[in-house]
Amino acid sequence: AQSVAQPEDQVNVAEGNPLTVKCTYSVSGNPYLFWYVQYPNRGLQFLLKYITGDNLVKGSYGFEAEFNKSQTSFHLKKPSALVSDSALYFCAVRDRGFQKLVFGTGTRLLVSP
Amino acid sequence: EPEVTQTPSHQVTQMGQEVILRCVPISNHLYFYWYRQILGQKVEFLVSFYNNEISEKSEIFDDQFSVERPDGSNFTLKIRSTKLEDSAMYFCASKAETANTGELFFGEGSRLTVL
Repeated sequence: AQSVAQPEDQVNVAEGNPLTVKCTYSVSGNPYLFWYVQYPNRGLQFLLKYITGDNLVKGSYGFEAEFNKSQTSFHLKKPSALVSDSALYFCAVRDRGFQKLVFGTGTRLLVSP
Repeated sequence: EPEVTQTPSHQVTQMGQEVILRCVPISNHLYFYWYRQILGQKVEFLVSFYNNEISEKSEIFDDQFSVERPDGSNFTLKIRSTKLEDSAMYFCASKAETANTGELFFGEGSRLTVL
């Protein structure tokens, strides 16, 4: 069974500083990995995904994530945080044999001015 | 830009009542999903639907739940006899490709409050 762990409930960062939101996963085979963002009272918006190929994937709003197979991680990063990046971020994994997308518990990112 | 739309945005119901949540997925998408989120916490998979039948479902999706695609556009989630613990935000999502590399597109959600 696939699962996702987001070890931090909240990440605080000052505007302009780099940010990292951590994610580790567990699947029986090779994973498809995704990041979504949720703003208050809104649905989930797709940010980026890793399917195959280059371990560093780039997505919307300047975010990127690095797939690390040996550490089973897919951390979300951004070189310079904006106050408007403050939101709830979800990592998700899909086992290649299934359609179900399994989400982590979410990490709240708070970017202070 | 095409989007997934959900109605109602908020529904309040009494325990034991039936509820139907409606979704209009993106028109050329082939896979449809329901997820729920309790109090801004974890997003939990309920069910996936393809080719007019359930393709996967979770343990949460018991006999009280059902899904239907009654016409070419709507995708509904029915809860037969609501319980207090069914109070949550319910998200519909759709996916374009048959391959499972595709991302899901989510609606804005339907908040269900069971009293």
